[in-house]
Amino acid sequence: GENVEQHPSTLSVQEGDSAVIKCTYSDSASNYFPWYKQELGKRPQLIIDIRSNVGEKKDQRIAVTLNKTAKHFSLHITETQPEDSAVYFCAASIGGGADGLTFGKGTHLIIQP
Amino acid sequence: EAGVTQSPTHLIKTRGQQATLRCSPISGHTSVYWYQQALGLGLQFLLWYDEGEERNRGNFPPRFSGRQFPNYSSELNVNALELEDSALYLCASSLYNQPQHFGDGTRLSIL
Repeated sequence: GENVEQHPSTLSVQEGDSAVIKCTYSDSASNYFPWYKQELGKRPQLIIDIRSNVGEKKDQRIAVTLNKTAKHFSLHITETQPEDSAVYFCAASIGGGADGLTFGKGTHLIIQP
Repeated sequence: EAGVTQSPTHLIKTRGQQATLRCSPISGHTSVYWYQQALGLGLQFLLWYDEGEERNRGNFPPRFSGRQFPNYSSELNVNALELEDSALYLCASSLYNQPQHFGDGTRLSIL
């Protein structure tokens, strides 16, 4: 089955700097890659997603890139703010979104003031 | 628009008992997914229901089961509870092939 590796497990950056979280997946049939943000005690919230027919997608300060050949995708957050502090999860699915997601183990992003 | 709702918020059981968790999807969503979020293990896919049918299941034993009702709500049943079943159980819903949106979860504690 699919396996998703996520790095780093913890990332501390200064407020205003950029943060990058990387994920690799094992199943070349995977075609849908969402990213979720989970604040302490709250539900995971979708922040951005990308499908395999697209190499990059951007939404304000957040961007995701996908390299199908290398089977890795990354989340980029620019101009980080204190409210960006949370655990971020990457995920992959072979069903284009219509199937269970395989998640990475999460990255705890800490924004230092 | 109401989000995904789950009940109960917390559930305390003892080993060997059975637990039933409930999920109401976002109005109009036909797919319901269940995930287990255990400490240190991240989110793991349990079950996917669409249009009343089980479409796929993750790598969990058969004592984890569920169903989806005609109104698209769903329940997750866990039989013969074990200590390692203690976790946050998250439900998500979506339109077919669209992003999944999560509920707040049910915290299941096994004593």
